[in-house]
Amino acid sequence: RKEVEQDPGPFNVPEGATVAFNCTYSNSASQSFFWYRQDCRKEPKLLMSVYSSGNEDGRFTAQLNRASQYISLLIRDSKLSDSATYLCVVNPPDRLDMRFGAGTRLTVKP
Amino acid sequence: NAGVTQTPKFQVLKTGQSMTLQCAQDMNHNSMYWYRQDPGMGLRLIYYSASEGTTDKGEVPNGYNVSRLNKREFSLRLESAAPSQTSVYFCAYGGVNSNQPQHFGDGTRLSIL
Repeated sequence: RKEVEQDPGPFNVPEGATVAFNCTYSNSASQSFFWYRQDCRKEPKLLMSVYSSGNEDGRFTAQLNRASQYISLLIRDSKLSDSATYLCVVNPPDRLDMRFGAGTRLTVKP
Repeated sequence: NAGVTQTPKFQVLKTGQSMTLQCAQDMNHNSMYWYRQDPGMGLRLIYYSASEGTTDKGEVPNGYNVSRLNKREFSLRLESAAPSQTSVYFCAYGGVNSNQPQHFGDGTRLSIL
């Protein structure tokens, strides 16, 4: 079983739609979680951290469910510019390095 | 990408050739990392350096060596390139504790023929 698993998609949605991605992780002791965004042929860029109580940043909402070992990302009112691959990232305990999911590809269409 | 500079941006090598990928960060951060990214797979850690003078193996270290030359620079060397090392390589800094994210350079696209 992979340490971090994501549905690869692609998710194709119209502008203005709400879309949600889930990500599961295998190490129950993991302490920190992030969502990154990666545009085609570019580097991953931090989108948002995921906090235990859930957090929101504009149109983006991230949630953590420790009992079921998954994190989620909700994007409301999708924009064309949201088209990208979204990477789920988990930091295993007692390690500096991170574990990355393979990414979920989102295409927002006019 | 502000904070991290990777060189070169692109490189084509023949099997058996050697080369060094360079990475420098100007954020005065202790921790630096080298990842590779292959289609359909998440980024995989090759090596990391928690501080100047220390390096540790990551998930996929075979075929690579690293040098933490100083606090700014962390280089990745392929001694004898193989086609399986064709990939996009990213350098990153950050993550000194579990709540800090990492930040990436814009990558080196390496093809081995």
